[in-house]
Amino acid sequence: GENVEQHPSTLSVQEGDSAVIKCTYSDSASNYFPWYKQELGKRPQLIIDIRSNVGEKKDQRIAVTLNKTAKHFSLHITETQPEDSAVYFCAGGGGGSYIPTFGRGTSLIVHP
Amino acid sequence: DAGVIQSPRHEVTEMGQEVTLRCKPISGHNSLFWYRQTMMRGLELLIYFNNNVPIDDSGMPEDRFSAKMPNASFSTLKIQPSEPRDSAVYFCASRRVGTRYNEQFFGPGTRLTVL
Repeated sequence: GENVEQHPSTLSVQEGDSAVIKCTYSDSASNYFPWYKQELGKRPQLIIDIRSNVGEKKDQRIAVTLNKTAKHFSLHITETQPEDSAVYFCAGGGGGSYIPTFGRGTSLIVHP
Repeated sequence: DAGVIQSPRHEVTEMGQEVTLRCKPISGHNSLFWYRQTMMRGLELLIYFNNNVPIDDSGMPEDRFSAKMPNASFSTLKIQPSEPRDSAVYFCASRRVGTRYNEQFFGPGTRLTVL
């Protein structure tokens, strides 16, 4: 099955800086890579996703890149704000049934 | 749309008691997932259903855990007997298989504490 590794486990930045979270996956058949944001005490919510036929996708201050050859994908947040503070999860998976495997999460702390 | 609904939101029980968690998926969704989240193990998939049929329960920790989906709008996760190590937040998620992005929608979770 799929194995998703996520780094770092904790990331601390100053407001306005950029933040990058990286994930690797093991199954070359994986073709869908969502990112979820989970605020303290809340549910995970999808913030951006990318499919394997696309190398990069951007939505305002967040972007995701995918390198299929190296089997890694990354989340980029620019101009970070205190409200970006949360735990971010990457996930990978594929096939017709698509069952996502989640990374362990990255706790992002944005200091004002 | 109310989103995925879970009940109860919080449950405190004593070791050995039976616990039943409930989930109502988003109307029209045909795939349902149960997850357990802890600091130590992260977000673990316990079981998922497609069209009310359990497809993969390999994540269910042991026989004390069981899940059912009697119809498209209701699922339960039961722990009997409960143990302190079962303390966690349990999430239910649903999606519509075949949609373009396979997005899962999570419920608010049930925080279970077993004393």
